[in-house]
Amino acid sequence: EAAVTQSPRNKVTVTGGNVTLSCRQTNSHNYMYWYRQDTGHGLRLIHYSYGAGNLQIGDVPDGYKATRTTQEDFFLLLELASPSQTSLYFCASSDVQTEVFFGKGTRLTVV
Amino acid sequence: GDSVTQTEGQVTVSESKSLIINCTYSTTSIAYPNLFWYVRYPGEGLQLLLKVITAGQKGSSRGFEATYNKETTSFHLQKASVQESDSAVYYCALALNTGNYKYVFGAGTRLKVIA
Repeated sequence: EAAVTQSPRNKVTVTGGNVTLSCRQTNSHNYMYWYRQDTGHGLRLIHYSYGAGNLQIGDVPDGYKATRTTQEDFFLLLELASPSQTSLYFCASSDVQTEVFFGKGTRLTVV
Repeated sequence: GDSVTQTEGQVTVSESKSLIINCTYSTTSIAYPNLFWYVRYPGEGLQLLLKVITAGQKGSSRGFEATYNKETTSFHLQKASVQESDSAVYYCALALNTGNYKYVFGAGTRLKVIA
């Protein structure tokens, strides 16, 4: 079964802190995505990638970096976390014309 | 840019009653998008409910159905008789294959089914 695993599932950090969210997919998909979910906004695309070493800018990229080290692994980096980045983050994978498979989400709180 | 609009943030329906969740889309692409409904149960990630990639076609799954209407640019989700287990958040989404395959999601509609 297709799987996307996110870690950690919950994270609390302080303003100005450094956070890395990890995502691994075992679907052999080319595309991977990072979204944030906020009430009233739905899922907003932060960054995405269509292969190892590739990075595409999404719709809300400010304050985030991402890196795709392998086909399986996609990381989201917050180097100077701010309270406005408190959110529920989803990682996902897909191929063209296929459904998107999502992880269970990481709840990040910046205090 | 491309967008998906779900007008209801939350809908409450009594068990066995009918449901409609509205979804309209907008795209600047000349190509017709693929349209999807995803569902998120508590503590879980989103999962695909149904998809339609051809304008005019209807998709269905688990008693839910949605018709791709390119004239009204709508993709409303309907179910004739809801159950408590349908309580979840429902997201409408579109995808365009314009070089990079990118999905755009609506804000989501929380469905609460009461006994």
